[in-house]
Amino acid sequence: QQPVQSPQAVILREGEDAVINCSSSKALYSVHWYRQKHGEAPVFLMILLKGGEQKGHEKISASFNEKKQQSSLYLTASQLSYSGTYFCGIPLGGGTSYGKLTFGQGTILTVHP
Amino acid sequence: NAGVMQNPRHLVRRRGQEARLRCSPMKGHSHVYWYRQLPEEGLKFMVYLQKENIIDESGMPKERFSAEFPKEGPSILRIQQVVRGDSAAYFCASSPGTAKETQYFGPGTRLLVL
Repeated sequence: QQPVQSPQAVILREGEDAVINCSSSKALYSVHWYRQKHGEAPVFLMILLKGGEQKGHEKISASFNEKKQQSSLYLTASQLSYSGTYFCGIPLGGGTSYGKLTFGQGTILTVHP
Repeated sequence: NAGVMQNPRHLVRRRGQEARLRCSPMKGHSHVYWYRQLPEEGLKFMVYLQKENIIDESGMPKERFSAEFPKEGPSILRIQQVVRGDSAAYFCASSPGTAKETQYFGPGTRLLVL
């Protein structure tokens, strides 16, 4: 039931773009994206609450395709500070357990000068 | 507005001892979640609590682990008789009201069992 992220790792040079995908075998109600740097806490990037929604945060944006049960995170003109592991989290529990997030295995993004 | 606070940040225990991890949610947040992260792995849900209630503990091992979120004070994750396999980073997250809202993570407690 864990969402599947692809690719597992990405290596970029500054200024290049990347796309990280998150797919679920179950129906998606929302998708949460986080970035975690080594030894630190996950930092919230954005949350998408309904199909078709797109959001952006500086040069990082995301889309949510409810029918395809997937979300994609787009990083454009990457900066060194974008390096880290990106996780998508989805609520798989219904009802009162809606807040329980199940995370993908993570995508390691490395940006070189 | 202070973020989610966790203490201690690092905890070393010998096998068989008890570990107590504390989490103070962000001001105004009434939902607390605990996650465990093993080295080089993703985050695994453990337990979801609201004040004085355990909402979902489906990710918590049946033995030795317990969690509480009292009316007053921080949420506590308690691990009794720790084993080496308990060594991990334990993160607490909180959200305001409804479960659809963003979860903000604390800095984590890194537990090392010798």
